[in-house]
Amino acid sequence: DAMVIQNPRYQVTQFGKPVTLSCSQTLNHNVMYWYQQKSSQAPKLLFHYYDKDFNNEADTPDNFQSRRPNTSFCFLDIRSPGLGDAAMYLCATDNGIYNEQFFGPGTRLTVL
Amino acid sequence: AQSVSQHNHHVILSEAASLELGCNYSYGGTVNLFWYVQYPGQHLQLLLKYFSGDPLVKGIKGFEAEFIKSKFSFNLRKPSVQWSDTAEYFCAGPSGAGNNRKLIWGLGTSLAVNP
Repeated sequence: DAMVIQNPRYQVTQFGKPVTLSCSQTLNHNVMYWYQQKSSQAPKLLFHYYDKDFNNEADTPDNFQSRRPNTSFCFLDIRSPGLGDAAMYLCATDNGIYNEQFFGPGTRLTVL
Repeated sequence: AQSVSQHNHHVILSEAASLELGCNYSYGGTVNLFWYVQYPGQHLQLLLKYFSGDPLVKGIKGFEAEFIKSKFSFNLRKPSVQWSDTAEYFCAGPSGAGNNRKLIWGLGTSLAVNP
């Protein structure tokens, strides 16, 4: 089945230690998103790619970076995680037509 | 700025009760509207969507929603809820026209269904 895959599902890191989360998709969608979701809150968009065109949200901290080396893969780099960055990170894709987004299972990040 | 608002933040129902969750959006142009559901410990999944045509849309698991353009509303309904409907429900709508790919999300409604 076509899907959005996120690895790892759980990530534990230390305060200030860089971490990379990955997302891959077999849907061949040209739009990919990274969201941060904290407990019982709505997803908060960090950035998105329309093909290789990168779009950063104005309030996304500089600590968060992203790479999209090809259509299938997208990475979220957190350069110096703080305690406040502990959250679920969601990757989603969109076929670029109707805004319908398809979500991966998420990576739960714990910062010690 | 565009917005999506959900009126009910926490809803508690007994099984077999009827459900209606309110959602209002502010964008006045062509809208694509969505309801997503997040079951405990699971990822967000699409419940139903409206793009155009019949304003009453059917989704999975017996859910439906009605798009009322004059009221800028897209309320979610289910005639008889089950314990398994316990979840977080999010309404989402467009952030604007053109190539703006973003969705605006409501704050979510936490639904607890008591057996």
